Amino acid sequence: NAGVTQTPKFRVLKTGQSMTLLCAQDMNHEYMYWYRQDPGMGLRLIHYSVGEGTTAKGEVPDGYNVSRLKKQNFLLGLESAAPSQTSVYFCASRAGLRGWNEQFFGPGTRLTVL
Amino acid sequence: SQQGEEDPQALSIQEGENATMNCSYKTSINNLQWYRQNSGRGLVHLILIRSNEREKHSGRLRVTLDTSKKSSSLLITASRAADTASYFCATDASLGNQFYFGTGTSLTVIP
Repeated sequence: NAGVTQTPKFRVLKTGQSMTLLCAQDMNHEYMYWYRQDPGMGLRLIHYSVGEGTTAKGEVPDGYNVSRLKKQNFLLGLESAAPSQTSVYFCASRAGLRGWNEQFFGPGTRLTVL
Repeated sequence: SQQGEEDPQALSIQEGENATMNCSYKTSINNLQWYRQNSGRGLVHLILIRSNEREKHSGRLRVTLDTSKKSSSLLITASRAADTASYFCATDASLGNQFYFGTGTSLTVIP
């Protein structure tokens, strides 16, 4: 099993450009999450999904959109990138049962917005 | 923000010594989890402690939870150079769907 994979690993954008980050998991997990990690800030939740076809806002959702059309994929979109979105983005998944189990993380995508 | 905080922010110890890091959080929780992150990598789950538990062990890890003080501690005994990493605590919101991570403790174990 590959676990959680993220595409791409690195990306450089210019202000105003758009892009989509792809997260895929092969563990048949119901829940999927997108976080951003900034120095000294820990991880902050952007959006999450509790099942195929569902999405919900997290702590810092502004400037991002998500879609979960297939259970194994969770896409994070930036419609008009801003320098403040320079960060490392992590996707995670976990089985159901509310909070009673661990999250599995992908390796991250390092995004720089110039 | 419901984000927790770890203390200390950075910790440097000699191999073989014990490392203790603390986590404080703000709201009621169902459980608290600890994760490790090696440089440039994703987070890896270490241990979960439920709100009705006070202490839990896993190998060289010992976690305590004090819900009255809204705090937890992670003890790594007999540390190794391979334990060098950042350690984060994570708490779940009341519905158990969202998680809030602390700011992390950077641990360096000197061989």
